[in-house]
Amino acid sequence: GAVVSQHPSWVICKSGTSVKIECRSLDFQATTMFWYRQFPKQSLMLMATSNEGSKATYEQGVEKDKFLINHASLTLSTLTVTSAHPEDSSFYICSAIMYSNQPQHFGDGTRLSIL
Amino acid sequence: DAKTTQPNSMESNEEEPVHLPCNHSTISGTDYIHWYRQLPSQGPEYVIHGLTSNVNNRMASLAIAEDRKSSTLILHRATLRDAAVYYCILSDQGGSEKLVFGKGTKLTVNP
Repeated sequence: GAVVSQHPSWVICKSGTSVKIECRSLDFQATTMFWYRQFPKQSLMLMATSNEGSKATYEQGVEKDKFLINHASLTLSTLTVTSAHPEDSSFYICSAIMYSNQPQHFGDGTRLSIL
Repeated sequence: DAKTTQPNSMESNEEEPVHLPCNHSTISGTDYIHWYRQLPSQGPEYVIHGLTSNVNNRMASLAIAEDRKSSTLILHRATLRDAAVYYCILSDQGGSEKLVFGKGTKLTVNP
């Protein structure tokens, strides 16, 4: 089946640091990738939709200058949390789809802890 | 996005069937019904989706009411590995573009 890999799986860093999370589709070309955030005991919240070679579309309330998304190829999208602060600590999850009528395939998430 | 309503939690015993309900009374004619599940500390996993007819796959069955205002995800024989939060989501396209996750149903499977 379609596999999506996220890296790193967890990261702990100091406040003010920028953190990059990678999302790769390992065995298919992803036309679209999505980035979600999930706080403890809450549901997933979509942050942005990313299409290869074009600018990401951010959901209302998500700061695009803080959460930089790059989708440089059909198999890789990155999310960079710039100048991270403790309130950015969360579980970040990516997903990818091959075609518009196919299910989303999710990565295993990245747990980000900002001290 | 059309909303769905699911029970907060359900319990089942191992090797018994589980019926997870979902109400979506404001569903539109082009909305697909998707089910995903999320195991603890993991990303969600696709389970099944359908439009009007009942659907079966290796993981589960999806029973859709004739008026499409409700649906039921059926796990035929629950295992401990099926313990997860199950999300019922409506999407205007068959391909799950822009999924809006609700709170889902937390399924506990007792040995």
